[in-house]
Amino acid sequence: AQTVTQSQPEMSVQEAETVTLSCTYDTSESDYYLFWYKQPPSRQMILVIRQEAYKQQNATENRFSVNFQKAAKSFSLKISDSQLGDAAMYFCAYRSVNDKIIFGKGTRLHILP
Amino acid sequence: ETGVTQSPTHLIKTRGQQVTLRCSSQSGHNTVSWYQQALGQGPQFIFQYYREEENGRGNFPPRFSGLQFPNYSSELNVNALELDDSALYLCASSLGLAGGYEQYFGPGTRLTVT
Repeated sequence: AQTVTQSQPEMSVQEAETVTLSCTYDTSESDYYLFWYKQPPSRQMILVIRQEAYKQQNATENRFSVNFQKAAKSFSLKISDSQLGDAAMYFCAYRSVNDKIIFGKGTRLHILP
Repeated sequence: ETGVTQSPTHLIKTRGQQVTLRCSSQSGHNTVSWYQQALGQGPQFIFQYYREEENGRGNFPPRFSGLQFPNYSSELNVNALELDDSALYLCASSLGLAGGYEQYFGPGTRLTVT
């Protein structure tokens, strides 16, 4: 069975600085999708960025980028120029081609003004 | 375009009771997934509905059941409520089953069982 591990329960970063959230996963599949979701206090789960496993190029969405290491089964999220609105729970998630999403336990990110 | 909506927002029930949670999917979406998110945890997959049929189920007992209607809205029913059922229940809709389709989440229903 697939598993997703986020080893950092909480992290803090100074506003305008860069922070990296870690995620590792375990799977025997070769084709899958990886996601980072943001859940602010409003509870609405918002997709931040996604990566298709067959793509070698790391995904980027404005200030958010990933470091996808398929062999190491690692999928970290880098947030550049951190803003107060980035404060939230961040969940790393795995999805098979036609299957459910498996979430990690999350990392709470604090932005220090 | 209307997003995913869920009702009610909050709910308090007593152990042993039954509850029904509702989810309206985003326009054009035929797939709905339900997740349970306990406090301080990541969401856990309950089940998924595709065109009114259950298509995949997580590790939840049969007292968790669901329905999807012809307009693709969905219900989650939980019978014989237990204290551990207290959680945020999220639904998500998507255009189809394929993993590449983005799942759009609703704001959730907070269920408290006393």
